[in-house]
Amino acid sequence: SAVISQKPSRDICQRGTSLTIQCQVDSQVTMMFWYRQQPGQSLTLIATANQGSEATYESGFVIDKFPISRPNLTFSTLTVSNMSPEDSSIYLCSAKPSLGSEAFFGQGTRLTVV
Amino acid sequence: ELKVEQNPLFLSMQEGKNYTIYCNYSTTSDRLYWYRQDPGKSLESLFVLLSNGAVKQEGRLMASLDTKARLSTLHITAAVHDLSATYFCAVDSPSGNTPLVFGKGTRLSVIA
Repeated sequence: SAVISQKPSRDICQRGTSLTIQCQVDSQVTMMFWYRQQPGQSLTLIATANQGSEATYESGFVIDKFPISRPNLTFSTLTVSNMSPEDSSIYLCSAKPSLGSEAFFGQGTRLTVV
Repeated sequence: ELKVEQNPLFLSMQEGKNYTIYCNYSTTSDRLYWYRQDPGKSLESLFVLLSNGAVKQEGRLMASLDTKARLSTLHITAAVHDLSATYFCAVDSPSGNTPLVFGKGTRLSVIA
């Protein structure tokens, strides 16, 4: 299993600023992912965070807006850049310890942009 | 491309009644998850179903998986108000090396 700590748990930010969300896993994991959940919606995959290389983004998400880092097998960050109110969402980090293993989720970061 | 459909999207049910939420998916998979989410909260893992015919029960909730029909069900027995929440199913690829794909969720409201 994997325990995932995400921080901050919530934040209120001014439009035009950027916020970096951290995701720390208590053990080395093969795969890490970032999801967005807009109000009243389901989870949408933003990107797969690749250790030591650029993240793989889903359609509709770009690196300039959502830069992602993954410097090692236990840690990743997601930055929401140049925020607007439309970025107000819950952002969730997910990890799979190994290929084919169960997926685990962090507690999420509730972001409000004003 | 893996697609996941949940229905109903909204469900209002009386306390004491039974109901089933359905989760259909488009490609072969034998790994399916059910989550609960309360308003403003993160996901709570309910069940992980890992094989055809898997059935798991916890309290008033029972989940099953039919991989041949590409269908999972979440059955609610004798609903109580505390079960009011949004329920998501999520499907994993057969290889397990991709992220989960989520259904749109079922917003359940249990009323007296």
